[in-house]
Amino acid sequence: KAGVTQTPRYLIKTRGQQVTLSCSPISGHRSVSWYQQTPGQGLQFLFEYFSETQRNKGNFPGRFSGRQFSNSRSEMNVSTLELGDSALYLCASSSGQTADTQYFGPGTRLTVL
Amino acid sequence: GQQLNQSPQSMFIQEGEDVSMNCTSSSIFNTWLWYKQDPGEGPVLLIALYKAGELTSNGRLTAQFGITRKDSFLNISASIPSDVGIYFCAGQNQGGKLIFGQGTELSVKP
Repeated sequence: KAGVTQTPRYLIKTRGQQVTLSCSPISGHRSVSWYQQTPGQGLQFLFEYFSETQRNKGNFPGRFSGRQFSNSRSEMNVSTLELGDSALYLCASSSGQTADTQYFGPGTRLTVL
Repeated sequence: GQQLNQSPQSMFIQEGEDVSMNCTSSSIFNTWLWYKQDPGEGPVLLIALYKAGELTSNGRLTAQFGITRKDSFLNISASIPSDVGIYFCAGQNQGGKLIFGQGTELSVKP
């Protein structure tokens, strides 16, 4: 089975712009979770989508949003980018059953200038 | 909110030595997971623990789910240079959300 794929791998934006990141889960997986990883804050949960609905949400501002399509692919959008949004954004997929293991993609490295 | 305390933050060891790291929390978790992350890559699952008291091995790696469900440890035996990386523990709560520790950065000197 192919693993979790994320595109693009690297992205450079300027403050005030918006960005969309994409994640394709492992075939058959219906849950996609998004995480932000920074040196200072570590890995922090953004949100989880299951069957095209947001099922869990972390403590991030409304500038961070996401969606999931009928094929389980997910996108994450960040609007009005700030310097502090520079991070590695990781998505993880699972079957969606409670406590099922999450498998991570390679991440998208976002740099905001 | 739920938090995990992972220690040590970093370790510098000689090839062949054994390594031990642990995570503790004030909250109970239903599942404990251990991941390894190489630079520029996403975390890769090493071991998953689903029951209190469970002891599981994966090659040279051994991990245990604490009896209280508030802690877990990971041991690596006979370390080799490719063990270098950052190791994360993660607790999964009843809602399925993962809470991560701050990571242990492991350096192995040949």
